[in-house]
Amino acid sequence: DVKVTQSSRYLVKRTGEKVFLECVQDMDHENMFWYRQDPGLGLRLIYFSYDVKMKEKGDIPEGYSVSREKKERFSLILESASTNQTSMYLCASSLPSIFGEQYFGPGTRLTVT
Amino acid sequence: AQKVTQAQTEISVVEKEDVTLDCVYETRDTTYYLFWYKQPPSGELVFLIRRNSFDEQNEISGRYSWNFQKSTSSFNFTITASQVVDSAVYFCALSELRSSASKIIFGSGTRLSIRP
Repeated sequence: DVKVTQSSRYLVKRTGEKVFLECVQDMDHENMFWYRQDPGLGLRLIYFSYDVKMKEKGDIPEGYSVSREKKERFSLILESASTNQTSMYLCASSLPSIFGEQYFGPGTRLTVT
Repeated sequence: AQKVTQAQTEISVVEKEDVTLDCVYETRDTTYYLFWYKQPPSGELVFLIRRNSFDEQNEISGRYSWNFQKSTSSFNFTITASQVVDSAVYFCALSELRSSASKIIFGSGTRLSIRP
């Protein structure tokens, strides 16, 4: 059974803290993605990675960075968390093809106070 | 620009009614894929269907059916004889091929509530 796991379901952090969100997939997928989901806005792509150490900005990369040192792991980093980064964060992975559907993790609900 | 529009923000129906979720897309690509995902209250998005741009045949899977019409750039999803377990947020999505990797553009979602 395919699996994408995220390190936490719920996280509460203070403004200015450095935050790490971890995502691990066991499907040997080349592509991995980080989205944030906000009411009325659907899923918006923050960053994606198409190979180890390779990354590309998505639609809303400001305030975020990513790291992919191993194929199965993709980390999202909030360098200095702000309240407007309170959101649901979803990780996904896929094969490297236009028709490769994405497999999603359960999400991390991050609250920044 | 690539875009997916789900004009229905929320739909509420009584169990056993049929319900259709609308999806309209915009793309410059001639080859693309369309998807529907379901997000139940647990939060994890679940893949439902993929359809490529060259296949306009409607698809039926149990109580679910999909109607793809290139002429109107629509990919609508119908649930027949709805059940409470169908309550979820449904996302329509469009693949986008970039130089480095394919991406998926999601619509804003339709929240479907099925009342007993």
